[in-house]
This record gives sequence, C-alpha cells and structure tokens, in this order.
Amino acid sequence: NAGVTQTPKFQVLKTGQSMTLQCAQDMNHNSMYWYRQDPGMGLRLIYYSASEGTTDKGEVPNGYNVSRLNKREFSLRLESAAPSQTSVYFCASSPDTQGVYSNQPQHFGDGTRLSIL
Amino acid sequence: RKEVEQDPGPFNVPEGATVAFNCTYSNSASQSFFWYRQDCRKEPKLLMSVYSSGNEDGRFTAQLNRASQYISLLIRDSKLSDSATYLCVVNVQDNYGQNFVFGPGTRLSVLP
Repeated sequence: NAGVTQTPKFQVLKTGQSMTLQCAQDMNHNSMYWYRQDPGMGLRLIYYSASEGTTDKGEVPNGYNVSRLNKREFSLRLESAAPSQTSVYFCASSPDTQGVYSNQPQHFGDGTRLSIL
Repeated sequence: RKEVEQDPGPFNVPEGATVAFNCTYSNSASQSFFWYRQDCRKEPKLLMSVYSSGNEDGRFTAQLNRASQYISLLIRDSKLSDSATYLCVVNVQDNYGQNFVFGPGTRLSVLP
C-alpha cells in the first residue's frame, strides 16, 4: 500500500529552469494538496484540489501552477524557478471533497527536496 | 498575530516523564484540529484528530478549549521513540481564504 507517492525525492535546479513535481495517491482520495516547508516555519499551502477537475490557490501560490490530471495525480509546476523556492515540498491527500474545509486528516507523501541555485 | 502558535521548544524530558504541549489559534471559527508528528527529514504523520469533548489514544490525550482558543497534547510515560516535532494544525479563515494552517512545531527530545 503505497499511499501518497512523490517524485522526484531530490532535485537541484538552476534559476530560471522549469520542472514538474509529481504526486500520486492510491487511496481513492478526492482532495489533494501541495505544501512547502521551510526551516522554522510551518507547512504552507500552495494549491489544493478538492476534486478531479478543480484547483484552488492556497496561502503561497505565486510562482507555481498545478494540474489535477485525474483523481490519482496532482502535479506542481515551477515555470521559472527562483532561489526563494528552495524548500521541501509535500503532497497530501484526504478522503472527502471538501478541500480546505475538510474535517478529515491528510496523508502525506515523503517529500521532494528542491534546491535552486 | 500568527494564526497558529505553539510552545517554543525544544522540550528535553527523561524517559517516563509526562509532557504537555499547547497550541493557540486566533480564528474563533476554526472547526478542524489535528496533531501531527514529524520525524527529522520525514513527512508529517497524523497523530490524532482533536475533538470537542477531548480524546485519548493510549498514552496520548488531546483536548480542545474553544473559549480560550487552544488545543493541547499530553504525552504520558514518554518513550524514546516519541522524540519528534509535534505540529498542530487548524482549519482557519484567513487573508488568503479558507486554509489549513500548520503551527511551526514543538520539538521533543526524550532522553534515556
């Protein structure tokens, strides 16, 4: 039972490069989320998707785009990476279709460590 | 004022001790409350949801005080394996809309 799978686990980019972080869950969950975690700060929500075909901005969406490809997959794209986007990125999912209105706990992937030089 | 604040750490306690963490939140309309634990360089994992009446899971007890806007986590008979960072999570309405807000975490080290 894989749960939430993120790829890649590590990535180094140069400023201005683009890349897509992949996330897939096999728990038949409806809501999916992308967070970033920086030292000394709590996780901050970038984007979320309450159901297939919908996406919404979180607290820190600037510089990112997302795609909810299907129910299982939710990708995060950095179009032009900046050093300020160096962080650990976590994808999460929860069962219902409530997104950030959910009362249900989230299940996290093991993160992508992204460094931008 | 930050949306969600936690006791500053680290907490260094001997094995077998009882330790309590508090987490305060600023939005009185918050409806969902959770405690997660995060091991070093790992993903957050749900420890327990926090219900209005309080709830217990083995050595862990979570309580919610809506009037004072805080949640607490009590760990009894601490084990070495309890060493981790404990994150409180609150569902809030903030400047960005509805949001899950994670506290910065409280680090616990249980010492032999």
